[in-house]
Amino acid sequence: DIQMTQSPSTLSASVGDRVTITCRASQSISYWLAWYQQKPGKAPILIYKASSLESGVPSRFSGSGSGTEFTLTISSLQPDDFATYYCQQYNTFPWTFGQGTKVEIK
Amino acid sequence: QVQLVESGGGVVQPGGSLRLSCAASGFTFRSYGIHWVRQAPGKGLEWVAFIRSDGSNEPNAESVKGRFTISRDDYKNTVYLQMNSLRPEDTGVYYCAKDDPVLANWGQGTLVTVSS
Repeated sequence: DIQMTQSPSTLSASVGDRVTITCRASQSISYWLAWYQQKPGKAPILIYKASSLESGVPSRFSGSGSGTEFTLTISSLQPDDFATYYCQQYNTFPWTFGQGTKVEIK
Repeated sequence: QVQLVESGGGVVQPGGSLRLSCAASGFTFRSYGIHWVRQAPGKGLEWVAFIRSDGSNEPNAESVKGRFTISRDDYKNTVYLQMNSLRPEDTGVYYCAKDDPVLANWGQGTLVTVSS
C-alpha cells in the first residue's frame, strides 16, 4: 500500500497567516492527489484534486506538487479555515489518506 | 443537488453483523461508483470499499477483507455495506461518497459501535 505522510500534524496560526501543509507519498502517485477539509462532527469536503481547485472553494487555497511531494497552501488564513486537512492518493487501490493536519487558532 | 444518506448504524456485539445503506439522489446513480470510508473516534480517515457503476469492485481494505461486502441496487439508488464478524476496532463513523473521480460528495455518516 502507498503510505501518505502529512506534516505538521498540528499547526497553530493566526488569521491572516500564510500556512502550508506538506504531504509525501511513499512512491510516485503522479498528480493523483486530493485534499479534504473536515470540521468537527462533519463529513469531509473535497477542496482540491489533481492540481485543480474545486468549484466554490476560495482562491486563497492552492495546491502544488507531483510524484511524491505535495503541498496545500492557504494564502491568508480565515476564521472558517480552522479545521483538519487530509491528503489522499487515488493513484492505486487501496486508496490511502494522510494522518491529517489540524489547523488551530494561535 | 447530490445527496447521499447513510443509515443502518448502531450498537452491535463483537462477532455480530450490520448492513449499512447509502441512499443517493440528485445525480444519475447508475453512472457512478460509490465508496465507503470510515473514521474511528478521534482518528483519521480510512478508505474501506468501492463499487463501480457496473457493479464490479476493487478488493476491500485489508482491515475488512473477508468480512465486509459492498453491493448496489440501481433500482433503489442504494449502495450497501454488509459487515460481518464485527470487531471493536470497526467502531466509527461510516461515510459513503460519490466517485467523481475522487470522493467528491459525502454523506453525513452513520455511527457503528462494536461493544459488548
